[in-house]
Amino acid sequence: AQSVTQLGSHVSVSEGALVLLRCNYSSSVPPYLFWYVQYPNQGLQLLLKYTTGATLVKGINGFEAEFKKSETSFHLTKPSAHMSDAAEYFCAVSESGATNKLIFGTGTLLAVQP
Amino acid sequence: EAQVTQNPRYLITVTGKKLTVTCSQNMNHEYMSWYRQDPGLGLRQIYYSMNVEVTDKGDVPEGYKVSRKEKRNFPLILESPSPNQTSLYFCASSLMGNSPLHFGNGTRLTVT
Repeated sequence: AQSVTQLGSHVSVSEGALVLLRCNYSSSVPPYLFWYVQYPNQGLQLLLKYTTGATLVKGINGFEAEFKKSETSFHLTKPSAHMSDAAEYFCAVSESGATNKLIFGTGTLLAVQP
Repeated sequence: EAQVTQNPRYLITVTGKKLTVTCSQNMNHEYMSWYRQDPGLGLRQIYYSMNVEVTDKGDVPEGYKVSRKEKRNFPLILESPSPNQTSLYFCASSLMGNSPLHFGNGTRLTVT
């Protein structure tokens, strides 16, 4: 069965510092991988997704993620954190790519310190 | 504006009193679903619908009902709410297949 593990429920960085949010997945077939962001009092928004092809995926707001099959990882990074990046981030996996089979991780709350 | 609209945003009720949370999307999406979000558990799927009159259970369907009589609407029904259904609920829709999910702003439900 597929699953997602997000390491670190809370991450704090200084403004301008590198953001690294970790996601590891388990899947018996090549996965489709997603990162979603949730701002306070809002629903989730898609940041980026990996389906096939290039393993480095660029998303909105300067975020990117790299699919590493050997490490079963899909970590999210941003070179320089901004105060507006403070939010909760969710990694998700779908074996078939079907939206109805999307499995979410438990989330990582990112705090950005001035 | 393309959006998924949930109502109400906040709801406090008592055990056993039937309630309905409405969800409507204006994007002509085929697929709609309901999730609940609990601290430390992330989002878990309750029910989903691939099209009108087609619904199926997600991972945590117990205590919930849904219906899809029209393409745009997908209400979530709690026939006899219990305190363990206190949670933050999200409705979501997508065009189909592996299209990105569009989420509503959530409904925070408290059952006392």
